[in-house]
Amino acid sequence: DTEVTQTPKHLVMGMTNKKSLKCEQHMGHRAMYWYKQKAKKPPELMFVYSYEKLSINESVPSRFSPECPNSSLLNLHLHALQPEDSALYLCASSQALGINKNTEAFFGQGTRLTVV
Amino acid sequence: DAKTTQPPSMDCAEGRAANLPCNHSTISGNEYVYWYRQIHSQGPQYIIHGLKNNETNEMASLIITEDRKSSTLILPHATLRDTAVYYCIVRATTSGGQNFVFGPGTRLSVLP
Repeated sequence: DTEVTQTPKHLVMGMTNKKSLKCEQHMGHRAMYWYKQKAKKPPELMFVYSYEKLSINESVPSRFSPECPNSSLLNLHLHALQPEDSALYLCASSQALGINKNTEAFFGQGTRLTVV
Repeated sequence: DAKTTQPPSMDCAEGRAANLPCNHSTISGNEYVYWYRQIHSQGPQYIIHGLKNNETNEMASLIITEDRKSSTLILPHATLRDTAVYYCIVRATTSGGQNFVFGPGTRLSVLP
């Protein structure tokens, strides 16, 4: 099973709403990632979790709050977003760095977020 | 961090081989070359990766030059479904290595 599952597939939210994006994998991966992708642009790294601890925050605004409750789940909590935050949000997982083995990342199909 | 450069776009005739180049002249000895592709509105799909030897799998072949400063992804018989943006990424896998950082990629159009 090389699947990363993201829910929901589509989300429309108002600027005062609170919502959460969810990501799940059962490959035993201990590194999980959130990316943001605007139209016609490459994915941009937002956060990296390694062994359920936040290891990288790419200067993401605090209205995005990640959470890794266990080794299989990754959440992205959204609050007070702006219309410019509308994008495709991608989750990925891989073996954690430091295991010293080559390893690819597997991506989910993303959540298409629209902020109105 | 090693950077990669790729042509912004390429065309390929259906049934012919598609050869996608990537330059990574500052690659370090512990950095692997990964290739991903992204079909419109889908998540990136892993294709292949390698360190210094040429690699082949059911999707593609990866040719890495001896000095490791460039590589070529080969899709041996391109189909219309191979139309996508192809990303070349270099990444170390040891502790402290960089993460999967995407450049602009190459938009491959497979033409009938």
